[in-house]
Amino acid sequence: DQQVKQNSPSLSVQEGRISILNCDYTNSMFDYFLWYKKYPAEGPTFLISISSIKDKNEDGRFTVFLNKSAKHLSLHIVPSQPGDSAVYFCAASSGGTTSGSRLTFGEGTQLTVNP
Amino acid sequence: KAGVTQTPRYLIKTRGQQVTLSCSPISGHRSVSWYQQTPGQGLQFLFEYFSETQRNKGNFPGRFSGRQFSNSRSEMNVSTLELGDSALYLCASSLWAGGNEQFFGPGTRLTVL
Repeated sequence: DQQVKQNSPSLSVQEGRISILNCDYTNSMFDYFLWYKKYPAEGPTFLISISSIKDKNEDGRFTVFLNKSAKHLSLHIVPSQPGDSAVYFCAASSGGTTSGSRLTFGEGTQLTVNP
Repeated sequence: KAGVTQTPRYLIKTRGQQVTLSCSPISGHRSVSWYQQTPGQGLQFLFEYFSETQRNKGNFPGRFSGRQFSNSRSEMNVSTLELGDSALYLCASSLWAGGNEQFFGPGTRLTVL
């Protein structure tokens, strides 16, 4: 049962353009969502997160949008840079001190930014 | 502030052996979680420790176990290794249990021959 899905295994964009990475989830208990970036042979690097009480969160070039009714979130990177080329993982948590910090990850999307 | 550290970075073992991996969280972080990454299954949650107690466990067999020490450092152990245990094992730390923003270490690459 894949509770978090990233349907695009890969995405290719030109430098300077917008990159949009998508993620869908099925578990209504998820209330916190995160995006991580991962290079080969390294651990995931935290990028940005959003709580279910918000629908948008920005941090520099990164913006995450959450549509709770559609159970969909997206990560926008503007402008895209070649150094952004990596695998991006969407993750979700039902959070809270009683249930722990268990993150459920999507399969990842390989982003390639071409110079 | 130093990040999450994991040792060793690489390990080669044979089937039937056991292995212990170590994780030191970011200073001040008290929760440590472990994840397994494989090409077929992606990133999967193993377990979480907070205040030396296992708070949450993923869907893995009992051969996978862990513990946390009073200084928040954590170890995970895999006994009776199988070929399918070959994976990247990632440790993540957060300030509190339920601390959603988890920060990952570089991982330990385990190869079982």
